[in-house]
Amino acid sequence: QKEVEQNSGPLSVPEGAIASLNCTYSDRGSQSFFWYRQYSGKSPELIMSIYSNGDKEDGRFTAQLNKASQYVSLLIRDSQPSDSATYLCAVAQGGAQKLVFGQGTRLTINP
Amino acid sequence: GAVVSQHPSWVICKSGTSVKIECRSLDFQATTMFWYRQFPKQSLMLMATSNEGSKATYEQGVEKDKFLINHASLTLSTLTVTSAHPEDSSFYICSPHTRTYEQYFGPGTRLTVT
Repeated sequence: QKEVEQNSGPLSVPEGAIASLNCTYSDRGSQSFFWYRQYSGKSPELIMSIYSNGDKEDGRFTAQLNKASQYVSLLIRDSQPSDSATYLCAVAQGGAQKLVFGQGTRLTINP
Repeated sequence: GAVVSQHPSWVICKSGTSVKIECRSLDFQATTMFWYRQFPKQSLMLMATSNEGSKATYEQGVEKDKFLINHASLTLSTLTVTSAHPEDSSFYICSPHTRTYEQYFGPGTRLTVT
C-alpha cells in the first residue's frame, strides 16, 4: 500500500463547477497535510495546508481533513480553466517535516 | 511564503560529466534544505536533507557518493550530480525548511543527460 494515494485522473470538470480531489494516507500519526498545484514544467506551488479535522477555506479552495478515516480532500469552487494542473497531496512525516507525496491528480477544466 | 531561487533552470550535459545545481534561500536563513527529484509523469521523491555545517542525510536508495550535497551557508545549498547518466535526467527541486510545516519549492532545475 502506498503511503499517500490519489486518483491519478485525469479528472475533467466544466468551467464554473466544483472540482473535488481526494487523498488517503496510511500513517495514522500524520499531523500535517498539504495540497500543491503543479503546472506542466513548473515546480509545485502550495495552495492549502490543513492540520485539524474539519474544513479550511481560502477563497475558492476548501480543504477537508478526516483523521479518523485518514482522508483529506480539496474542493475548488467556480472552477476556471487556469485551475487546470496536477494537484499533489502531501503528508508531513516525523519531526523532520519530510513530505511524502501522492502521485498527483491531473485536473482539466473545460471552458 | 519562502522565496527560493535555483540555478541553472535547465542544463544539458553529456554522460559521464558532473553538474552542480545551486539553491538559494533569498528571504530567510535555512538551516535545512530538502532536495527532491521528479521523473516525468511521476510525483516528487525526497532525495536528501542537507544541514548547514553537517553531512546530508540521504533517503534509502539514493547514492550519497553520486549526489553530493553541500550546505555552504544558511542561504546556499548545492547538489552535484557526479558522473551523470541518462537515467539521472530529471527535474531537481529544492525546498528550505521553514519555521512552520509548510514547504515552498524552488523553481526547479531540469537536467537532461545525453
